[in-house]
Amino acid sequence: DGGITQSPKYLFRKEGQNVTLSCEQNLNHDAMYWYRQDPGQGLRLIYYSQIVNDFQKGDIAEGYSVSREKKESFPLTVTSAQKNPTAFYLCASSIRGLAGAGDNEQFFGPGTRLTVL
Amino acid sequence: RKEVEQDPGPFNVPEGATVAFNCTYSNSASQSFFWYRQDCRKEPKLLMSVYSSGNEDGRFTAQLNRASQYISLLIRDSKLSDSATYLCVASSGGYNKLIFGAGTRLAVHP
Repeated sequence: DGGITQSPKYLFRKEGQNVTLSCEQNLNHDAMYWYRQDPGQGLRLIYYSQIVNDFQKGDIAEGYSVSREKKESFPLTVTSAQKNPTAFYLCASSIRGLAGAGDNEQFFGPGTRLTVL
Repeated sequence: RKEVEQDPGPFNVPEGATVAFNCTYSNSASQSFFWYRQDCRKEPKLLMSVYSSGNEDGRFTAQLNRASQYISLLIRDSKLSDSATYLCVASSGGYNKLIFGAGTRLAVHP
């Protein structure tokens, strides 16, 4: 089955720790995205990648880092510099990477709930 | 001002009712528009794209008004299973960066 997987489903972090959230897709999509969702708020873009080995900061990139070494994978690291990391993290992908009309619907993985202890 | 604004609701409607949600967007250069559905503690799922000519998918109808910069979603014959949060989405000028509204919650009761 084609789709987007995220792991783990739940993650607990101690103060001062870095943690990495996994996102994998087998849809052959060019673009991948990371969002965080807080209660009562819309999704906020952290980072996105339009092609392999390239990524751009979104609206709230501080305290996060990413890599895109393979088309299928876009891991997100939440560093100790992120002061309020407790949130629901969602990874998404879309067919088209570079700007163009059509094929930019985004499809989401099941998410990772991160809690700081 | 938020780039995409929605009434948070909740909209409480009986089964069989017709309900409509509106959403406004601030970027006149937006080119792509969508409605997503999100169930509690789950990921958003694409409900439908919104085209300039309007489009319909079964009980769901989406409309786009570029002049007034708003998008609407009409749900006819509401089902209990329609209970969810509906997210309005507009592209941010370019095609690949999407801006999500905070969502409108719908609760359909028997």
